[in-house]
Amino acid sequence: GAVVSQHPSWVICKSGTSVKIECRSLDFQATTMFWYRQFPKQSLMLMATSNEGSKATYEQGVEKDKFLINHASLTLSTLTVTSAHPEDSSFYICSAKDPGQALEEQYFGPGTRLTVT
Amino acid sequence: EDKVVQSPLSLVVHEGDTVTLNCSYEVTNFRSLLWYKQEKKAPTFLFMLTSSGIEKKSGRLSSILDKKELFSILNITATQTGDSAIYLCAVGGGNAGNMLTFGGGTRLMVKP
Repeated sequence: GAVVSQHPSWVICKSGTSVKIECRSLDFQATTMFWYRQFPKQSLMLMATSNEGSKATYEQGVEKDKFLINHASLTLSTLTVTSAHPEDSSFYICSAKDPGQALEEQYFGPGTRLTVT
Repeated sequence: EDKVVQSPLSLVVHEGDTVTLNCSYEVTNFRSLLWYKQEKKAPTFLFMLTSSGIEKKSGRLSSILDKKELFSILNITATQTGDSAIYLCAVGGGNAGNMLTFGGGTRLMVKP
């Protein structure tokens, strides 16, 4: 099946700094990627939909100035958490849609665990 | 508002038992229902269901969708400790087109 990678797999940063997380589709071109966050023992919550070449669509309650998304190419989307705070500590997962596959099927990256101290 | 509800929230069984996980949904413009298994990292895809009454099967796992009653079940027979995971149900459709709406998940623990 299709492979999606994320980097880094985990990161610790200090409060007030910014962190960039990369999501890459390795063997297909993804016009659409999704960013989720997951708190412990909770389900995935969609943060935003990232479309190549256009602005991301953010879900209600997600601050677009805090969570910057850039989908600069068909294989790469980045999420930058700006001025991170301890409450931003979470598991961030991206997924990508392969245009050649079924409409809803998404391939998930391995996730990035962010800890803000 | 689109909604996906899974039950039970958690389940503890012994190896060899059979389990049934439930997922009910209220989603506008429903297109498909997907089941994922999540262990320590990201979810892995299990099934995608689009048609009512057609069982999908993979080894000891099977799933079926009822579009009239708006629910799906995931069955796992002869459970093994490796089946311990969170099982997520997600529904595709809604007003945003591409997005999936996830349920809260069922945490399954299989004891030896």
